[in-house]
Amino acid sequence: DAGVIQSPRHEVTEMGQEVTLRCKPISGHNSLFWYRQTMMRGLELLIYFNNNVPIDDSGMPEDRFSAKMPNASFSTLKIQPSEPRDSAVYFCASSFRLVGSDTQYFGPGTRLTVL
Amino acid sequence: AQKVTQAQTEISVVEKEDVTLDCVYETRDTTYYLFWYKQPPSGELVFLIRRNSFDEQNEISGRYSWNFQKSTSSFNFTITASQVVDSAVYFCALRGAGNQFYFGTGTSLTVIP
Repeated sequence: DAGVIQSPRHEVTEMGQEVTLRCKPISGHNSLFWYRQTMMRGLELLIYFNNNVPIDDSGMPEDRFSAKMPNASFSTLKIQPSEPRDSAVYFCASSFRLVGSDTQYFGPGTRLTVL
Repeated sequence: AQKVTQAQTEISVVEKEDVTLDCVYETRDTTYYLFWYKQPPSGELVFLIRRNSFDEQNEISGRYSWNFQKSTSSFNFTITASQVVDSAVYFCALRGAGNQFYFGTGTSLTVIP
C-alpha cells in the first residue's frame, strides 16, 4: 500500500513568492496533520483535520499560512508570501482516528528553502 | 498539560554496545498513548511502536525493546547490540484524550563503527 505522499520533495523559492505544498494521505485515513520541523523548534504541529474539517489550527504561525483539505485524499499547505524564516521541512501525516488505533504515519517531507 | 521530555540530546555509542533512550511524559489523562519514531539521516519519520496506558507490558522486537513504567511516567527505548544503521534521531510522542500528538525534542543517536 502506498504511504503518505508529499510533493514537491524539495522547493527553493524567493522571498515573497507563493508556495504550495501538497499531501495525499493514506487511503482510508480520516485524520491529516501538517507539521514543520526546524533545528531551533523541533517538530511543530501546524494544523490538523478530521474528516476533511480543520479541527485545530492554533499552530499556524500567522496569516501567511493557510491549509485546505477539499476531499479525503488531498490537502494543501500554502504560504503567501513566503519569508526566509519559513525555511524548514514540512511533514504531512495521516491516521485513522479510532479509539486505540490512531498511529500517525508520516510522508517523506518537503524541504522548503526560501531565499 | 501534555508534555514529553527527552533529556538526552545526543548519544554516541560504539557498535555492538547497548543503548537506552529515555522518555518521560506528563499527562492528566487516564487514557493515553505513547509512541516512538525514528528519523534516519534520509529524513523520513518512521513509526516504531505504540503503547496504550493500560498495557504496561514491556515489548521486544528484535534488538529493540521498550520499558513502559507508569509509576515513573517513563517509556524508555533500548537498542541491544547497536549497529551503524541505528544512527538516527529518535522521537518519543504522547497522545492524550485529544487527537494531537506531543513530540519530544528527539535524541540523536550516533553509532560508531
